Amino acid sequence: DIQMTQSPSSLSASIGDRVTITCRASQSIYTHLNWYQQKPGKAPKLLIFAASSLQNGVPSRFSGSGSGTTFTLTISSLQPEDFATYYCLQYSSVPQTFGQGTKVETK
Amino acid sequence: EVQLVESGGGLVQPGGSLRLSCAASGFTFSTYSMNWVRQAPGKGLEWVSYISSSSSTIRYADSVRGRFAISRDNVKNSLYLQMNSLRAEDTAVYYCARDQSWNDVASVPNDYWGQGTLVTVSS
Repeated sequence: DIQMTQSPSSLSASIGDRVTITCRASQSIYTHLNWYQQKPGKAPKLLIFAASSLQNGVPSRFSGSGSGTTFTLTISSLQPEDFATYYCLQYSSVPQTFGQGTKVETK
Repeated sequence: EVQLVESGGGLVQPGGSLRLSCAASGFTFSTYSMNWVRQAPGKGLEWVSYISSSSSTIRYADSVRGRFAISRDNVKNSLYLQMNSLRAEDTAVYYCARDQSWNDVASVPNDYWGQGTLVTVSS
């Protein structure tokens, strides 16, 4: 199975901060990676697909980059509604595997 | 509008069974593969099972293989998860998620998710 190591597990940030979250795969997954945002009691919401493509309706302050084994999700200017938990998901091979999650909290 | 609505969750004793359903609408269900994903309370996301559009390919996580069975009815636009021999560690919110379409190369895996249904395994 491909292991996805996500870091950090949590971070504290302020409104307007630039936030970066990283996922590393245990082997190459090309660009077969999604990023999700999840708020308490809600289903995950797709933000980025294929490592760097912005899902329709998602604000442009979210961006994704990377290929192979190292990927990043960047929030260019953190907004109040962005406090949530973020997950990466690799779909390069079965089983699909998620990162452990990154909780973004207010500083 | 794409909609996925799960149902069938509830409280069940260890060793018991439960059948989850996921009703799909707003897209051509028969052309999409589907996944079940779960999330234990306060924990991360765990992929559970996959079924291709025609049911010809089925996959399970090691943690549920031999106990859970995924199926679908493309006439009823529904996805199912039969869960047997349930354990306390199966307690989670179960989500169905739309995977890819065989006739749309641009389709995105796991783009739409249902709201989830809670399964609690406890005596």
